[in-house]
Amino acid sequence: GQNIDQPTEMTATEGAIVQINCTYQTSGFNGLFWYQQHAGEAPTFLSYNVLDGLEEKGRFSSFLSRSKGYSYLLLKELQMKDSASYLCAVRGYSTLTFGKGTMLLVSP
Amino acid sequence: ETGVTQTPRHLVMGMTNKKSLKCEQHLGHNAMYWYKQSAKKPLELMFVYSLEERVENNSVPSRFSPECPNSSHLFLHLHTLQPEDSALYLCASTQELPGELFFGEGSRLTVL
Repeated sequence: GQNIDQPTEMTATEGAIVQINCTYQTSGFNGLFWYQQHAGEAPTFLSYNVLDGLEEKGRFSSFLSRSKGYSYLLLKELQMKDSASYLCAVRGYSTLTFGKGTMLLVSP
Repeated sequence: ETGVTQTPRHLVMGMTNKKSLKCEQHLGHNAMYWYKQSAKKPLELMFVYSLEERVENNSVPSRFSPECPNSSHLFLHLHTLQPEDSALYLCASTQELPGELFFGEGSRLTVL
């Protein structure tokens, strides 16, 4: 089975840096995705890690440690539009399994 | 056209009604999915179709009936639903199993 854990809510201020953690216990692992979902909208792809290490894409970076079953999403220079839910999803043999998502609120 | 299109965006139905949700993807993908998203719960996979064949059915009640007539279209037929079935139903597609999911905007269902 799959178990994915991430914090329910986080708050941060505009211009700051925030790290959203995700831990997982899975029976099969073929990579980890991060998605962003604004209220009332579809989730959109942010990043994908299959090997250990850091993947950087502009203001967003994602890190993976397969031995620890751990990933994080790092958001730099936060903007108000970054207020959204961030979903961690583990790729198994045939499907993706999602965590509950972390609701990030960015305040001025 | 957007990649994955869902209709209707909002649906209100009684427990005795029969309705259908429609999903269409314009990405040339081979796999399509139905997910359910309820408040405070993770996205729940309902059905997976690959090349028009159902490859996964996660113990979904029979009042939800999927149909995949071709690789671009996916339906979710709804019959005698319960109030607890009220949720956002998201359709997604991928080029391969499993891969990066491309989601539609979702159909917000309310069962009275």
